[in-house]
Order: sequence, then structure tokens, then C-alpha cells
Amino acid sequence: GENVEQHPSTLSVQEGDSAVIKCTYSDSASNYFPWYKQELGKGSQLIIDIRSNVGEKKDQRIAVTLNKTAKHFSLHITETQPEDSAVYFCAAPRITGANSKLTFGKGITLSVRP
Amino acid sequence: GAGVSQTPSNKVTEKGKYVELRCDPISGHTALYWYRQSLGQGPEFLIYFQGTGAADDSGLPNDRFFAVRPEGSVSTLKIQRTERGDSAVYLCASSLRGREEGREELFFGEGSRLTVL
Repeated sequence: GENVEQHPSTLSVQEGDSAVIKCTYSDSASNYFPWYKQELGKGSQLIIDIRSNVGEKKDQRIAVTLNKTAKHFSLHITETQPEDSAVYFCAAPRITGANSKLTFGKGITLSVRP
Repeated sequence: GAGVSQTPSNKVTEKGKYVELRCDPISGHTALYWYRQSLGQGPEFLIYFQGTGAADDSGLPNDRFFAVRPEGSVSTLKIQRTERGDSAVYLCASSLRGREEGREELFFGEGSRLTVL
């Protein structure tokens, strides 16, 4: 099955700095890589995703890069703001037949210091 | 409401009791998922519904856990003879089509926090 790992478990940055969160996966057949943001008192939300046919995707201050050879993908947040403080989960699909189920990492707690 | 709704938000029960957790997905979403999240962990897949049927229940830990979605909308996760190890946040999510669940956006509810004393 798919094994998804995130390191480190916590990250603290100064407001305005960039944050990079890395995620590794084990199943070379995985072809879709989302990042979810979990804030206290809210349901987790998809913030960006990437499919295996591209190496990078950007959406304003957020970008995701994918290295299929090394089986890792990273979330990049530029010009961090206090509201970026949250737990971020990466995920990759475990592909079995016609279905594919997301396996999530343990999450990383990002703290943005004002 | 427009989002996924879960009730109760908090449930405290005693070991051995029966518990039901409810999920009301986004209207029109055919796929519904239950995940369990323990402290310091990511969401762990439990079961996935496509319409009324459980398309994949491989994540249910044992036969004390059961889920239904009789009319293809609201779902109930049922836990019998609860144990302390069942304490976790139970998350429900829905998606529009679900046939490519690993490749489309999941919309999560806020979760139901279960504490078994």
C-alpha cells in the first residue's frame, strides 16, 4: 500500500518569509498529489493539488512541485501571513483496481510568527 | 448549509456503549467517505460510499464498526461496544463523483470528536 511521510512535524517561520513542506510517497503508480489545510474549528480544505503529468503548479502565494523520480512533492508558501498558521496534510492515492483511496501523511503544524 | 455537516461535534461515552455519528454531505455529491483522525496523525480511511452502497469498507478496523447511507445522502457511522482506543475525531467528506476519489477534491466536515472513558 501507499506510505506517505511528512517531515518535519512542526515548522515555525517569521511572517513574510517562505515556508517549504516536503512529502514523500512510496507507490510509483500514484498520479495525484493534493495538499489539505486543517484549521482549528474548520473542516480540512484542499489548497492545491498536482497531477503527475506536470512538475509544478502555482496559485498566487502557493505552489507545489513534484519529483516523480525521487517520489516526493513539496508545498511552497511565499510571503507567509499569520492566517497561514494551520496543520497541512499531503496525500497520495493508493491505487487498487478501479478505485483509488487517498493516504494522508501525519501532517505538519506551520506557525507563522507575526 | 453549503458544506458537509457532522453531528454531534463532541461525544463522550463510556466503554462498552453504542455510538452513532451522523454526516450530511454536500447536496448532489454522490461519494461519501469516513475517516478517523487520532491525535498527531493524518486522516485514516475507514469506508467509502458511492451512492447508497459501500464501495470500499476495507478501512473499518473490525466488525464493531458499521456505516450506512440508505438514501444516498446522509450517512451514519455506528460503533458498537466502544473501547477507549476508539477515541478519535471521526471525519466525513464528500466529493462530486467519487469514481476517481484519489483524484478529485474532498470536502471535509469539521468532524465528530469521540471520547470513550
